[in-house]
Amino acid sequence: GAVVSQHPSWVICKSGTSVKIECRSLDFQATTMFWYRQFPKQSLMLMATSNEGSKATYEQGVEKDKFLINHASLTLSTLTVTSAHPEDSSFYICSADKPGANEKLFFGSGTQLSVL
Amino acid sequence: DAKTTQPPSMDCAEGRAANLPCNHSTISGNEYVYWYRQIHSQGPQYIIHGLKNNETNEMASLIITEDRKSSTLILPHATLRDTAVYYCIVRVKAAGNKLTFGGGTRVLVKP
Repeated sequence: GAVVSQHPSWVICKSGTSVKIECRSLDFQATTMFWYRQFPKQSLMLMATSNEGSKATYEQGVEKDKFLINHASLTLSTLTVTSAHPEDSSFYICSADKPGANEKLFFGSGTQLSVL
Repeated sequence: DAKTTQPPSMDCAEGRAANLPCNHSTISGNEYVYWYRQIHSQGPQYIIHGLKNNETNEMASLIITEDRKSSTLILPHATLRDTAVYYCIVRVKAAGNKLTFGGGTRVLVKP
C-alpha cells in the first residue's frame, strides 16, 4: 500500500525557536497534502491544504505566518512552526491523496512537538 | 464542521463483533462515507468507504441504510489490537478534497 513518511516523529524545542516537519509520499506523487493538528484526547483539526507549486490554503483561525507550509515537489511538503511557544505543543499529522486509490487519504505517523 | 454524529465511546468483548453506528442525516448525493481509525499516538488508518451499497474488505464491513442517513461499521471479530478511536467521515470522493474529522468513537476491546 501507499506510504506517507513523516519526520521527525517527535521533537522538543525551546520557546522562540522554529521547527520544521517533513511529510513525504514514498511511492506516489501527491499534488495535494493536508496538515492536521491534534491536542490530547481531541480529534484531528485540519490546519491547511498544501498544493504542489502553489500557496497553501489555510483553515479559518490558523495563522499562515506562524505555520509555514511549503510543497516544493510532488513528494514533499513541509510544515514549519515559527517562533514556537508552549501552546503550540501538539501532535501534527500530514496526509496525502494518492491518485487512483479511490481518493483515500494516507496519513503519516505524526510528529509530537513539545515546546519548553 | 463534521457532518457526522457518533457515540463517544463503546466497549466490546474480544472475539465478538463490534458494531459502530454513525449518523449522517445531511449527507449529499455525491458524498461517500469513509471510516478511519486512529490507534493511540499514530496517524489515522483507512478502513473502508462506500456510497450506497454495502461494502466489505479484509478489515471490516460497512452497512449503509437505504436513505443513506446512517451507517454501521462492523468489525466481525474484534481483537485487542482493534482498540482505537474510529472516525466516520462524509466526503466527496475527489482528489484534493479534505477529510474533516468529528469526535469519533473510542472503542475499547476487552479480553
